[in-house]
Amino acid sequence: GAVVSQHPSWVICKSGTSVKIECRSLDFQATTMFWYRQFPKQSLMLMATSNEGSKATYEQGVEKDKFLINHASLTLSTLTVTSAHPEDSSFYICSARERRTSTDTQYFGPGTRLTVL
Amino acid sequence: QKEVEQNSGPLSVPEGAIASLNCTYSDRVSQSFFWYRQYSGKSPELIMSIYSNGDKEDGRFTAQLNKASQYVSLLIRDSQPSDSATYLCAVNPGSNYQLIWGAGTKLIIKP
Repeated sequence: GAVVSQHPSWVICKSGTSVKIECRSLDFQATTMFWYRQFPKQSLMLMATSNEGSKATYEQGVEKDKFLINHASLTLSTLTVTSAHPEDSSFYICSARERRTSTDTQYFGPGTRLTVL
Repeated sequence: QKEVEQNSGPLSVPEGAIASLNCTYSDRVSQSFFWYRQYSGKSPELIMSIYSNGDKEDGRFTAQLNKASQYVSLLIRDSQPSDSATYLCAVNPGSNYQLIWGAGTKLIIKP
């Protein structure tokens, strides 16, 4: 149980284009999903917290107009990187917290590796 | 500022020995503690969660929590080369379900 998927697993795009990443909880309902970014040999950096049906809460320094997050259902959250630039190249990982439990365990998706040319 | 500290390593342990990973946290009201394992190029996977003082065992893994001293540790018995990875300590300091992450300890198990 507690499986989270991400799509695509990797993407290469040209500078200036937008990329959408999907995060799905496959066997549970996720009230809260989190989006992280990780650069090589660095630790996880929380970008935003997404609650179903409401606006995402962004961490300081993360541009909400550049990283659009939509959490339209209890099993799906999307992250859209708008007007991507090479410095946006990174490993993007989502995690989800199961709705029915009172714990704060986060289950991670496999990640999406974004390369912007 | 709420912090979680880990030694970055690398920690080198011979195969078959016990690997001991440590983590300290700054917020005394923290209630939930997690250990995740991350292989290079992969996303983190949950190993253990612990909520009460004392030890919690799961197979070769034992998590230890001492709230008075504000540290949590992970012991890996009978270490295997496949245990070589970065181990991330995460703490929930409050009620908004966000986790505060340590930078991770790189563990190398030498055959």
